[in-house]
Amino acid sequence: AQSVTQPDIHITVSEGASLELRCNYSYGATPYLFWYVQSPGQGLQLLLKYFSGDTLVQGIKGFEAEFKRSQSSFNLRKPSVHWSDAAEYFCAAFSGGYQKVTFGTGTKLQVIP
Amino acid sequence: DAGVTQSPTHLIKTRGQQVTLRCSPKSGHDTVSWYQQALGQGPQFIFQYYEEEERQRGNFPDRFSGHQFPNYSSELNVNALLLGDSALYLCASRQRDTDTQYFGPGTRLTVL
Repeated sequence: AQSVTQPDIHITVSEGASLELRCNYSYGATPYLFWYVQSPGQGLQLLLKYFSGDTLVQGIKGFEAEFKRSQSSFNLRKPSVHWSDAAEYFCAAFSGGYQKVTFGTGTKLQVIP
Repeated sequence: DAGVTQSPTHLIKTRGQQVTLRCSPKSGHDTVSWYQQALGQGPQFIFQYYEEEERQRGNFPDRFSGHQFPNYSSELNVNALLLGDSALYLCASRQRDTDTQYFGPGTRLTVL
């Protein structure tokens, strides 16, 4: 079955520190991959996406993600976290067409001063 | 350019009632999907509409039904509400030939 796994439920980092959120997928073929961010009570905002090509993708708000086929991973990174980055982050995968988007269970990021 | 809009923002219902949630897709988008997000969980796919037809469905009972109108807007209907239907309901839209979904702000449904 298709699945997306985010092994870290909750992560706490200090403001200015670097961040890496993990995401692993299990699909028959390499899916399209996304990272979304959700502030409390809000909808999902697209941070970045990977379809093909360069395995390092840049997104909004200074985020980037690296696709590693050998590890079936698509980890999200940011070199220096800001307090406003505190939110929940969802990794998602999609195999195209009429197929559904499968989400991970999310990682809640807390940023401490 | 307006993004995906949903109404209402919040809704409180009692068990057994019926509810209708509405979604207007982003301009130029013709495919609408609905998701249920329970507290502390990731969004779960309910169904997807294109050309006014349900094209794909997740593991939700028939109490969950939908509709897409000629202007691409969509409704989600839930009958015989259960306490467990309390969740944030998200609508997402995309253009058929693209693969990126954009989400609305959601409707928070509380069933008492």
